[in-house]
Amino acid sequence: SQQGEEDPQALSIQEGENATMNCSYKTSINNLQWYRQNSGRGLVHLILIRSNEREKHSGRLRVTLDTSKKSSSLLITASRAADTASYFCATDARYNTDKLIFGTGTRLQVFP
Amino acid sequence: DVKVTQSSRYLVKRTGEKVFLECVQDMDHENMFWYRQDPGLGLRLIYFSYDVKMKEKGDIPEGYSVSREKKERFSLILESASTNQTSMYLCASTRDRGLFGARDNEQFFGPGTRLTVL
Repeated sequence: SQQGEEDPQALSIQEGENATMNCSYKTSINNLQWYRQNSGRGLVHLILIRSNEREKHSGRLRVTLDTSKKSSSLLITASRAADTASYFCATDARYNTDKLIFGTGTRLQVFP
Repeated sequence: DVKVTQSSRYLVKRTGEKVFLECVQDMDHENMFWYRQDPGLGLRLIYFSYDVKMKEKGDIPEGYSVSREKKERFSLILESASTNQTSMYLCASTRDRGLFGARDNEQFFGPGTRLTVL
């Protein structure tokens, strides 16, 4: 069952530009998380935003959450070539909080 | 730092072989997960375990079984490998959320095993 859907599927930008990725989900959640995956590697947790939060920052990352629209966005500011990776959102079902459901991801390419 | 390790980065097996993928975490996490990742399909949960000897089916358990005899180790078993099980397999762990679900549940992933079944 697919909970999160990222948009766009792929994004190409130049170094220094901002990258915005969006995630939509279907059911009520406790929190929404964003992960990063370098090519052929495991996922790395980036940031978690709780359902009662609207915005959260971590370094060059800014995450917003709109529970009324069941959507979230991840903004990476001043992107670098090293940010090239796939980015996934993940949500937990409010009443089954051990599992996460991952979206299909956005592939970000940052050109130097 | 949490470390999750997987027994192999790359594995090539033949159809019908029994395949064992092992995952070990060193942070005393209660929950462990096995996913497979295929292009365009994202991560799909195969099985997860919330305690030793406990397991629950995920979204795609068919053709797989699991074993958790020790808290730190979670094994994925392909009883008779088939070509449609060629995929990237990812293991993850997370701590229990606590009595009132108060703790965050970010997952820590291993590096993945790319399995090819010929």
